[in-house]
Amino acid sequence: DGGITQSPKYLFRKEGQNVTLSCEQNLNHDAMYWYRQDPGQGLRLIYYSQIVNDFQKGDIAEGYSVSREKKESFPLTVTSAQKNPTAFYLCASSLAANTGELFFGEGSRLTVL
Amino acid sequence: DAKTTQPNSMESNEEEPVHLPCNHSTISGTDYIHWYRQLPSQGPEYVIHGLTSNVNNRMASLAIAEDRKSSTLILHRATLRDAAVYYCILRSPLSSGSARQLTFGSGTQLTVLP
Repeated sequence: DGGITQSPKYLFRKEGQNVTLSCEQNLNHDAMYWYRQDPGQGLRLIYYSQIVNDFQKGDIAEGYSVSREKKESFPLTVTSAQKNPTAFYLCASSLAANTGELFFGEGSRLTVL
Repeated sequence: DAKTTQPNSMESNEEEPVHLPCNHSTISGTDYIHWYRQLPSQGPEYVIHGLTSNVNNRMASLAIAEDRKSSTLILHRATLRDAAVYYCILRSPLSSGSARQLTFGSGTQLTVLP
């Protein structure tokens, strides 16, 4: 089945540690996105990528990093510089940036202890 | 960037129609109106989208005002499984090689009463 897969679903980390969240899609989509969601809030854009080997900062990129070495993969690293990393992280993809339907993964819930 | 405004919450009785409003007074001519919904602890799922004309699919209908400054998502017969947060967002094709950034507001929390 075509879709978008995020892993892990739940992740715990200690303060000061970097952690990488995986996002893979087999929809042959060019554009991929990372969002952060805090309790009771909407989704805020962290980074997005329109095409392989290209990505741009979203509204809240500080403390995060991404790479887009393959079309199907867009991993997000939450670095120790991110002051409040505990959140629900959502990855999405679309055929092209800002056009077409967005397909979301099931999310990764990160808790910093 | 064009933004959307939605009520924080709405209630509906099961098996009755639900009309979820969205205001987007600064919409541009190339902005498509998209609706998504999110169940607790899940990623949002696409519901419907449109540009100018009203749209129907198996999940819902989208009514777009003639001036495009507002739209309404219509669930014809609400079920308990329709209880979710509904987001109205605008998506526009690439402009001058740079994509518009895409932010979801807080959406409307729909409660369906049995």
